[in-house]
Amino acid sequence: GENVEQHPSTLSVQEGDSAVIKCTYSDSASNYFPWYKQELGKGPQLIIDIRSNVGEKKDQRIAVTLNKTAKHFSLHITETQPEDSAVYFCAASLSGAGSYQLTFGKGTKLSVIP
Amino acid sequence: SAVISQKPSRDICQRGTSLTIQCQVDSQVTMMFWYRQQPGQSLTLIATANQGSEATYESGFVIDKFPISRPNLTFSTLTVSNMSPEDSSIYLCSTRQGDTEAFFGQGTRLTVV
Repeated sequence: GENVEQHPSTLSVQEGDSAVIKCTYSDSASNYFPWYKQELGKGPQLIIDIRSNVGEKKDQRIAVTLNKTAKHFSLHITETQPEDSAVYFCAASLSGAGSYQLTFGKGTKLSVIP
Repeated sequence: SAVISQKPSRDICQRGTSLTIQCQVDSQVTMMFWYRQQPGQSLTLIATANQGSEATYESGFVIDKFPISRPNLTFSTLTVSNMSPEDSSIYLCSTRQGDTEAFFGQGTRLTVV
């Protein structure tokens, strides 16, 4: 089955700096890679996702890059703000007809210091 | 999109008892997923619930311990049976239609004493 490794487990940055979280996956058939943000007491919420036919995707301060050859993908948050503090999870799955389960990384606790 | 209402949001239970967690989706969905998230850990899939058939359990999880119901396309329940302190976790339900994003309930924080 799929295995997703995520690093680092904790990350502290100064407000305004950038944060980068990296994930690797094992199953070359995986072709959908979402990132979730989980705030305390809440369920995970999608912040950005990328499919295997795209190398990079950006949404305002958030970007995700994908290297299919190396089987790794990364989340980049620029100009970090205190409200970015949360736990971030990467995930991988198949894509296409039907509903496929997601395999999650272990999470990164991001702290943005004002 | 899908909005999932999950309840209870938290509970403290005595060991040996059972707790049933409910999830209501605001639209009809084919599959629902139940996850366990132990403190400071990632999400581990417990089982996949398809309406009209038995749930499919992942390795390490059994139906006697985590019975699941899926009576219709908008509702599912997970029961944590004969609880022990090791069952203290956050339990999350989720749904995903095809290759769209997955949506999650807000989670149930369970403490077993």
